[in-house]
Amino acid sequence: KQEVTQIPAALSVPEGENLVLNCSFTDSAIYNLQWFRQDPGKGLTSLLLIQSSQREQTSGRLNASLDKSSGRSTLYIAASQPGDSATYLCAVVDSSYKLIFGSGTRLLVRP
Amino acid sequence: EAGVAQSPRYKIIEKRQSVAFWCNPISGHATLYWYQQILGQGPKLLIQFQNNGVVDDSQLPKDRFSAERLKGVDSTLKIQPAKLEDSAVYLCASSHHGGELFFGEGSRLTVL
Repeated sequence: KQEVTQIPAALSVPEGENLVLNCSFTDSAIYNLQWFRQDPGKGLTSLLLIQSSQREQTSGRLNASLDKSSGRSTLYIAASQPGDSATYLCAVVDSSYKLIFGSGTRLLVRP
Repeated sequence: EAGVAQSPRYKIIEKRQSVAFWCNPISGHATLYWYQQILGQGPKLLIQFQNNGVVDDSQLPKDRFSAERLKGVDSTLKIQPAKLEDSAVYLCASSHHGGELFFGEGSRLTVL
């Protein structure tokens, strides 16, 4: 059974710092991996999608990497801003298109 | 391109009452998901449809929850009777054959 774990559960950093969020999964047979952002009281917004054959994806100040063999993904946020404060969720898609979520990392970027 | 639409956004009911949520996915998306998100937790899959067929409903409490996707487009999720522990946000998402998932804003349910 696929399990997804995110560390840390919460993170507080001063504005301008570069930071890394971690995601690990137990079954390496994944179809793809997605990182989402969730603001309080809102739905989920897709940030980056990495196919199983890819190693990384970049969008603006965000970079996500994937190491399928070790069951790990990282989300790197460069030059963090207060507007980046949100919960970041990692999810893996298996071969039946089932999406399994981690419990998220709550990020606070202090001005 | 229109996103995933959900309604109602908020619903407050008393325990043992019933409630229904509606989802309209992105046009052309064959896969539709319903997730339950309890405060402070990640979303938990309730049911996954591929067109109008059920792919996975292993975590759907079938004694009180039901879902359907008639004609492979819109979907409804019903809870009858509701319990206090059903208080959560119910998220609908859609994708095109396992590709990128798009979520609606969610329906927040409070059971008193």
